[in-house]
Amino acid sequence: GAGVSQSPSNKVTEKGKDVELRCDPISGHTALYWYRQSLGQGLEFLIYFQGNSAPDKSGLPSDRFSAERTGGSVSTLTIQRTQQEDSAVYLCASSLGASGSGTDTQYFGPGTRLTVL
Amino acid sequence: QKEVEQNSGPLSVPEGAIASLNCTYSDRVSQSFFWYRQYSGKSPELIMSIYSNGDKEDGRFTAQLNKASQYVSLLIRDSQPSDSATYLCAVNRNRDDKIIFGKGTRLHILP
Repeated sequence: GAGVSQSPSNKVTEKGKDVELRCDPISGHTALYWYRQSLGQGLEFLIYFQGNSAPDKSGLPSDRFSAERTGGSVSTLTIQRTQQEDSAVYLCASSLGASGSGTDTQYFGPGTRLTVL
Repeated sequence: QKEVEQNSGPLSVPEGAIASLNCTYSDRVSQSFFWYRQYSGKSPELIMSIYSNGDKEDGRFTAQLNKASQYVSLLIRDSQPSDSATYLCAVNRNRDDKIIFGKGTRLHILP
């Protein structure tokens, strides 16, 4: 079946603009994760959804970042008043079940490359 | 101590040799362990998951888990230049159901 999809694949925006990044998880996957990866760096956890609720928002870098998930499926990551340091690849991953459940293998989407000028 | 620790490398291994990648973790009650491969400019892709102590083999890859010593390793036999990538270790953190990723080890297979 289809894997995790993300859109757009690339986004160039001007400093101060708002952007929305979309993630479509694998059908039936209840857990959804957002990560950020700057060039040459490791994965930075942003937020995690179990169903529509977000038990862990601790990774969001500032209040300019928010995310929602509706219908237990699609998720949107919104960055308001973008800054140049927000430039990175934003990765989404989904898993069938919660962490530690034995069904917690995460499958990653192709990512959205965000460039803030 | 970092929650999931990996040597950043680069680890250089001759083609055809065995590459050994190591990862240590701090949560004694972790239950799920993963190895991902990430090529430059690409997303991480799953290589192996392991949940029980011991070895798990899949083709040229073997994952080894030792919960008592809190380490998990990945062996790549008959290393190929196409194995050159960054390898990420990931472990579940029991207290909040989060998967924690290490920073990754860069592997370079020398032709």
